[in-house]
Amino acid sequence: GAVVSQHPSRVICKSGTSVKIECRSLDFQATTMFWYRQFPKKSLMLMATSNEGSKATYEQGVEKDKFLINHASLTLSTLTVTSAHPEDSSFYICSAEDRTMNTEAFFGQGTRLTVV
Amino acid sequence: GNSVTQMEGPVTLSEEAFLTINCTYTATGYPSLFWYVQYPGEGLQLLLKATKADDKGSNKGFEATYRKETTSFHLEKGSVQVSDSAVYFCALKIYNQGGKLIFGQGTELSVKP
Repeated sequence: GAVVSQHPSRVICKSGTSVKIECRSLDFQATTMFWYRQFPKKSLMLMATSNEGSKATYEQGVEKDKFLINHASLTLSTLTVTSAHPEDSSFYICSAEDRTMNTEAFFGQGTRLTVV
Repeated sequence: GNSVTQMEGPVTLSEEAFLTINCTYTATGYPSLFWYVQYPGEGLQLLLKATKADDKGSNKGFEATYRKETTSFHLEKGSVQVSDSAVYFCALKIYNQGGKLIFGQGTELSVKP
């Protein structure tokens, strides 16, 4: 199946700093990418949907100025957590689809963010 | 609105036991249904899917049938293995409503030798 690579897999940062997480589709064009947040023992909460070359669409309650999403190419989307705080600590997962080929969603391996 | 409800876990089984994880959904349109599996510390992998009523998705010994009359998509496996220990997510997607995946809360499965 298609591969989506998410990097880094783990990151620890200090409170107040920013962290960038990358999501790459390695063997297909990701016209649409999704970013999720997963709390322990909880389901995935969709944060935002991004289409290549367009601004991301954020779900209700997600601060777009805090969680900056860029989807500038068909193979790369980034999520930047700005001015991170301990409550932003979580597992972040991306997924990617090729809407022109009507593919299923392929998921990255996830990023464990810890803010200290 | 659209939502997915799964049975609460954790589910603990002995190896070779029969597995059922219940999943029901509500949808305003005609959804496609999915089961995803998440191993510890990893992202999600698609396990199986069904796109229309009465379709049966199957993979690696797991099966689920799209039941429109009961709005259900229960996951079954006849004989579980220790390696099946993971969290299982039921999800739906309605393609003409933005195509977002809507997940259930996940069911943790633990299989003991």
